[in-house]
Amino acid sequence: EPEVTQTPSHQVTQMGQEVILRCVPISNHLYFYWYRQILGQKVEFLVSFYNNEISEKSEIFDDQFSVERPDGSNFTLKIRSTKLEDSAMYFCASEGSYNSPLHFGNGTRLTVT
Amino acid sequence: AQSVTQLGSHVSVSEGALVLLRCNYSSSVPPYLFWYVQYPNQGLQLLLKYTTGATLVKGINGFEAEFKKSETSFHLTKPSAHMSDAAEYFCAVSLNGGSQGNLIFGKGTKLSVKP
Repeated sequence: EPEVTQTPSHQVTQMGQEVILRCVPISNHLYFYWYRQILGQKVEFLVSFYNNEISEKSEIFDDQFSVERPDGSNFTLKIRSTKLEDSAMYFCASEGSYNSPLHFGNGTRLTVT
Repeated sequence: AQSVTQLGSHVSVSEGALVLLRCNYSSSVPPYLFWYVQYPNQGLQLLLKYTTGATLVKGINGFEAEFKKSETSFHLTKPSAHMSDAAEYFCAVSLNGGSQGNLIFGKGTKLSVKP
C-alpha cells in the first residue's frame, strides 16, 4: 500500500539554525498537511496546502515557517530560525481528494538544542 | 470554536475486556469526528470517522464509536481487547466540518492491555 514517507526520522539542530523537513506524499494525492506534536501534548494542525498554495494555516504557523512543493513529489516544511520550543514531532499528511482519508507519515522528531 | 476533550490520558484493561475511550467535543457547526491510532514510532492511522448518517460507526480492528449529539460525545469502544491494541488513541474534530485535513485533536489516551 502506498505510504507517506518523511525524512529524516530524527533531526537535531542548534537554536537559530534553519531546518528543512521533507515529505513525499502519496503520488496521486492533492491535499497536503503538516502537523506537529510537542512531547506529551496534543497533535496540532500547522498548515494545509493545495494547488501549490497554502489553503489554511494555524496561529502556530508564523513567519518563521514556510512550505513548498518544489518538484511535484516532495513537500517540505522549512523553519527559518529554530527556537527551543520548536522541538516536536512533525507529521506530514496527504489526502487524495476532498473528504477522503488522511494518510500520515511516521514523523520527523526535531530536537533544537 | 471547535475543541476536543479526551477523558483519561491513560487507560489500562485486561486482554479480553471491554475497551472504552471517552471523547467529548464542542463544535459550532455539525461536526465531522474521527478516531486515530498511533503505534510507537509510527504516524497516525485512521480508525473510523463520522460525517453524516448512521450514528454508530464501525472501524478497523473491531473498533466502533457512537455519535451522540445530545451528549456531544463520540466514545470509542471495542468489546474485547487484544494485546495488539496497545497504542495511543486520538479523537479529532474537523475545523471546517468537511475536509479531513484541518483537524483539532484531543490530547490522546494511551491504552495499555494486560495479559
